[in-house]
Amino acid sequence: GQQLNQSPQSMFIQEGEDVSMNCTSSSIFNTWLWYKQDPGEGPVLLIALYKAGELTSNGRLTAQFGITRKDSFLNISASIPSDVGIYFCAGNNRKLIWGLGTSLGVNP
Amino acid sequence: DGGITQSPKYLFRKEGQNVTLSCEQNLNHDAMYWYRQDPGQGLRLIYYSQIVNDFQKGDIAEGYSVSREKKESFPLTVTSAQKNPTAFYLCASSLSGSTPYNEQFFGPGTRLTVL
Repeated sequence: GQQLNQSPQSMFIQEGEDVSMNCTSSSIFNTWLWYKQDPGEGPVLLIALYKAGELTSNGRLTAQFGITRKDSFLNISASIPSDVGIYFCAGNNRKLIWGLGTSLGVNP
Repeated sequence: DGGITQSPKYLFRKEGQNVTLSCEQNLNHDAMYWYRQDPGQGLRLIYYSQIVNDFQKGDIAEGYSVSREKKESFPLTVTSAQKNPTAFYLCASSLSGSTPYNEQFFGPGTRLTVL
C-alpha cells in the first residue's frame, strides 16, 4: 500500500532540546494527523490539521500543514523524558495513509 | 468513560488454530478499523467498516475475517491461513468513514503470539 516518507527514522536527544520531524508525499492530502505511540499501547492523536498552511499547537507541540498539501511537520519544544515514543504522521486522501514513524529517545 | 476496548491484551495460540480478537467502542462512531503493526513497518490496514453490516478489505486482508453486526463491535478473526500471524493488532474507530471526519482513535492493542 501507499505510504508517506517520514523522517528522521529515529533520533536521540538531550532533555530540554527542541525536536523537529516531518512527513512528505507525492500525493495531495486533505487532512494531516499526528499521533504518538507509547511502547505496547495504541497511538494517541496529538494534532489534526485541516487546511493548507495551518499552524496548530497543543502545549509544547506545534504542527503545520504544508502549503503544497504534500507535507507536514511536527515540532516539540523543550523535550522531557515522557516525550519518548514513536510519532506517526497520517495523511487523509479518501483513506488514511501512514508514515513509518519517528522513534524519539530523550536522555534525562 | 468513552473509548475503545480490546481484549485480551496478550493472546497465545497454537499454530493452525483460528483466534478472534475483540474490539468494542462506546463512542457512537460509525467507522471501525483493524490494523496490524510489526516492528519497523508502521500500521497496515487489514479491514475496515464504514457502517453496520458492511466492511471492506484493506491492504493485507488475506488470512483474516471480520464481522460488523453491531455498531459497537468489530471482531477480527485470525485464521490458520494467515502465514505469519504473530503481531500487535490495533483496533480504531472514527466518527465517519469519510473526510473530514477521518480522525481515528485507537484501542490499547492486542499482542498475538502464535507458537
